[in-house]
Amino acid sequence: DAGVIQSPRHEVTEMGQEVTLRCKPISGHNSLFWYRQTMMRGLELLIYFNNNVPIDDSGMPEDRFSAKMPNASFSTLKIQPSEPRDSAVYFCASTSGGRSTGELFFGEGSRLTVL
Amino acid sequence: AQSVAQPEDQVNVAEGNPLTVKCTYSVSGNPYLFWYVQYPNRGLQFLLKYITGDNLVKGSYGFEAEFNKSQTSFHLKKPSALVSDSALYFCAVRAISGNTPLVFGKGTRLSVIA
Repeated sequence: DAGVIQSPRHEVTEMGQEVTLRCKPISGHNSLFWYRQTMMRGLELLIYFNNNVPIDDSGMPEDRFSAKMPNASFSTLKIQPSEPRDSAVYFCASTSGGRSTGELFFGEGSRLTVL
Repeated sequence: AQSVAQPEDQVNVAEGNPLTVKCTYSVSGNPYLFWYVQYPNRGLQFLLKYITGDNLVKGSYGFEAEFNKSQTSFHLKKPSALVSDSALYFCAVRAISGNTPLVFGKGTRLSVIA
């Protein structure tokens, strides 16, 4: 079974550039989550979707961050413009939602470095 | 509101010795409880979960965890640690009722020394 697929695995960019991270959840899962992990803050929930609809984006740090889920098999997290403090590992996770226990399945992450 | 506390940033244990990684939680109502492990440069991997029933839950790689409702704890244990167990461990909780997402602790780094 294919797990959660994220791309790119690594991204190095310069301050001010636009960054787009991509995620393909596990087929049949209807909830998708974006997390950010840093040494200082640990694992932070940025936003999550149920049935492609954003439910809670209170963790999105600023207006520079936006996320979309145009269909059940694809989501993007965009940072525009990027700043050095955005450097982190960004994880996507999915779950079947509904009456499930909420167990999350994580992708391998996208490591972002903003110079 | 849901919350998880992992009181130790780092746990060091000698190979072959038992290990414990602590977790306490706060949730309204009954909880679902989880442990995840993260190896370097990898995503979080599910280890085990408590839903209901037996308070002692067994999971992957010989790990187990004990649910203690009175102490609101869900400590992760293993009878005999391996060097390969060295990783970052996360405890997570969500309430059974409602549809809220998992809340994660800040993680505990386990170092098993040969």
